[in-house]
Amino acid sequence: SAVISQKPSRDICQRGTSLTIQCQVDSQVTMMFWYRQQPGQSLTLIATANQGSEATYESGFVIDKFPISRPNLTFSTLTVSNMSPEDSSIYLCSGGGEYEQYFGPGTRLTVT
Amino acid sequence: GQNIDQPTEMTATEGAIVQINCTYQTSGFNGLFWYQQHAGEAPTFLSYNVLDGLEEKGRFSSFLSRSKGYSYLLLKELQMKDSASYLCAVMDSNYQLIWGAGTKLIIKP
Repeated sequence: SAVISQKPSRDICQRGTSLTIQCQVDSQVTMMFWYRQQPGQSLTLIATANQGSEATYESGFVIDKFPISRPNLTFSTLTVSNMSPEDSSIYLCSGGGEYEQYFGPGTRLTVT
Repeated sequence: GQNIDQPTEMTATEGAIVQINCTYQTSGFNGLFWYQQHAGEAPTFLSYNVLDGLEEKGRFSSFLSRSKGYSYLLLKELQMKDSASYLCAVMDSNYQLIWGAGTKLIIKP
């Protein structure tokens, strides 16, 4: 199994600012993903973080709004840019291989 | 389109057995996952099925029928701490997880 940590665990941000969330895995993983989860709802995939190349975004998510970096097999960042209250959510990173995916504890973001 | 269906909510009694069903229609299939998620916490991995049949892991078992696009998670000897949401997810041909909406399981004493 893999242990995944995220920083920050929570933040309150003002409209129009940006926040970068860090995701660190304790071992090398093939795949890393970023999700968003609204309270009481299931997970929505934002993008697949590709090592050394541009992330692959799902419909409704764009690089200008959610730039992602993945410089190596254990680390990734997600930036939520030009935030609005609609971006208030829990952001989760996951990592793993074909047969398992493990999740970080999540970052609870509130935009005021 | 891709679709994962599971019941929204289920209630069971402490010590009993409960079965949570999941049906899916996806573009390709590279395995089905079950996750447990307690309120306010990240999902935790429970099981992975890629071949038909039953996988048993302690009090939890997971079953898969690929021809029927069907899986279930079986929880035995229910404990109060099993109260959580249970998420079914299918890995599609692009190795991405397609998520169900989750089943909220309520355990009553």
